Amino acid sequence: ETGVTQTPRHLVMGMTNKKSLKCEQHLGHNAMYWYKQSAKKPLELMFVYSLEERVENNSVPSRFSPECPNSSHLFLHLHTLQPEDSALYLCASSQNSHNSPLHFGNGTRLTVT
Amino acid sequence: DAKTTQPPSMDCAEGRAANLPCNHSTISGNEYVYWYRQIHSQGPQYIIHGLKNNETNEMASLIITEDRKSSTLILPHATLRDTAVYYCIVRFYGNNRLAFGKGNQVVVIP
Repeated sequence: ETGVTQTPRHLVMGMTNKKSLKCEQHLGHNAMYWYKQSAKKPLELMFVYSLEERVENNSVPSRFSPECPNSSHLFLHLHTLQPEDSALYLCASSQNSHNSPLHFGNGTRLTVT
Repeated sequence: DAKTTQPPSMDCAEGRAANLPCNHSTISGNEYVYWYRQIHSQGPQYIIHGLKNNETNEMASLIITEDRKSSTLILPHATLRDTAVYYCIVRFYGNNRLAFGKGNQVVVIP
């Protein structure tokens, strides 16, 4: 149990589907993050939310749409994805204070067919 | 954030101390050194972080050189479950971002 729960653990979707990834943190944190980890590549930061406001968007295509309804929940809405979007999507949370470690969930393994 | 350099891989003997090196020669005074590890198919796990003093917790010890240009993560008694990719990351004080590199694939051998 990491304190950060991601669902589903695995997802297979077609290029025309719409799906959502969910993340929930039970640590009382107020900052949340989405990372992408493709095969053989380092983790890439996608989005950062601080106090429920998006503070960073690292040139992510619009087919990825994040949502943070409250400090405990984070979603990543997916539509018209490409096969190269297949990856492990990781959610993390932290306190929005200096130098607070990030705590990660175990990710959603996404396959786009 | 300053870049870090780690060996791409290393083997360690089970039961012995594992010393994982990291170079960060361009680190600035307000950047911390963080260590994470990632076991296959899981999310990264926080291990420890420090600024300039040595740090110890239940998982590991972090030794930072006096000039802060390098550090060593010490796993005191390596077990097979410590086999993972270990990431050394330099993070600017107050920065929300954590930038991962390729890490060091550590294999603990029986």
